Amino acid sequence: GDSVTQMEGPVTLSEEAFLTINCTYTATGYPSLFWYVQYPGEGLQLLLKATKADDKGSNKGFEATYRKETTSFHLEKGSVQVSDSAVYFCALNPGGGSYIPTFGRGTSLIVHP
Amino acid sequence: EPEVTQTPSHQVTQMGQEVILRCVPISNHLYFYWYRQILGQKVEFLVSFYNNEISEKSEIFDDQFSVERPDGSNFTLKIRSTKLEDSAMYFCASSEVLGQTNTEAFFGQGTRLTVV
Repeated sequence: GDSVTQMEGPVTLSEEAFLTINCTYTATGYPSLFWYVQYPGEGLQLLLKATKADDKGSNKGFEATYRKETTSFHLEKGSVQVSDSAVYFCALNPGGGSYIPTFGRGTSLIVHP
Repeated sequence: EPEVTQTPSHQVTQMGQEVILRCVPISNHLYFYWYRQILGQKVEFLVSFYNNEISEKSEIFDDQFSVERPDGSNFTLKIRSTKLEDSAMYFCASSEVLGQTNTEAFFGQGTRLTVV
């Protein structure tokens, strides 16, 4: 079945460091891909999305590019802030008649001042 | 901006009791979902609901669980006889359907269920 694999956390960085959180997926069709963020004690918020190959999603300085050839959707940010500390979830919508968003395990990001 | 709302934000219940978690999805959305997240673990799919019936469910969603859309706005998850291992954050979500795919799922803030 469809699945999402994320790098293990926690990822610990200093403020203004460059961030990459790896995400790869397995899907039989042509999924849409998403990054959600969960701040401490809160729910899941959509951070960015990409619906087809080579699309780049971006929001709040975060970016991710839908790479069909490597089945990846890595999350990047050039300069992280303490306020970016959260858990980040990569997810896919399978499409093609299946409507169940599937999540990765989440990667915790801790940013120190 | 439209949002999914969930009540209550925190529910404490005794083992064996029934609980009902409530959700109001975004009004023009057609797909509704329940997910759960046991503390520190992954977000797990429970059930999806479309056109007034369950469309898919996971193996977690056993006979203890049921969902209902009692009116035009609410979407509820009932756990008949709670167990300690049901303690988790429960997320409701909804999404539109456009053609052969659905849009991103919009999530509520969650209900933290604590079974004691």
